[in-house]
Amino acid sequence: GNSVTQMEGPVTLSEEAFLTINCTYTATGYPSLFWYVQYPGEGLQLLLKATKADDKGSNKGFEATYRKETTSFHLEKGSVQVSDSAVYFCALSDLRDTGNQFYFGTGTSLTVIP
Amino acid sequence: GAVVSQHPSRVICKSGTSVKIECRSLDFQATTMFWYRQFPKQSLMLMATSNEGSKATYEQGVEKDKFLINHASLTLSTLTVTSAHPEDSSFYICSRATVNTEAFFGQGTRLTVV
Repeated sequence: GNSVTQMEGPVTLSEEAFLTINCTYTATGYPSLFWYVQYPGEGLQLLLKATKADDKGSNKGFEATYRKETTSFHLEKGSVQVSDSAVYFCALSDLRDTGNQFYFGTGTSLTVIP
Repeated sequence: GAVVSQHPSRVICKSGTSVKIECRSLDFQATTMFWYRQFPKQSLMLMATSNEGSKATYEQGVEKDKFLINHASLTLSTLTVTSAHPEDSSFYICSRATVNTEAFFGQGTRLTVV
């Protein structure tokens, strides 16, 4: 079956530090991979995605590369800001499924301190 | 702006009462919507698939008589937690899926049953 394993938090970093949040997955088909972010009091927002192996998703300084050989999709940012404080969810979806059922990791809470 | 609106964002109710959560698709007619639930320190788990004009499809282990889903129009799906108990306290979130792209999520509802 499909599942996502995500690095547990919470993570606390100083501003301008390097961020890595690990995510690995298991899938029976050919999933697309996503990172969603949830800011306090808001819904999940798409941060970035990759639809096939070796694709790199990027947005707002965040990057993640779809690694089929290691079944991973780790999220990275070179220099975090206070405004990046949020909960980050790794997810997968098999685009062949009608309507896109999603499988989520547990979420990683990130706090960036000045 | 948001394309999926979920209401309320927080609700506290007494044990034994029912609570209705609304999920509206603001910019697109959605024949399919999804309801997820997240317990503390666990993943977002799919509860059910809401289908406009027909019965919802529930995931294994989810009581359909407790979690009533109505999808009477192409823009509105509702989840009613009936005879709520403290163990139903959780974070509930809906999504409107699109084929071949990412899903759009509501803001989520934090339900606390006292």
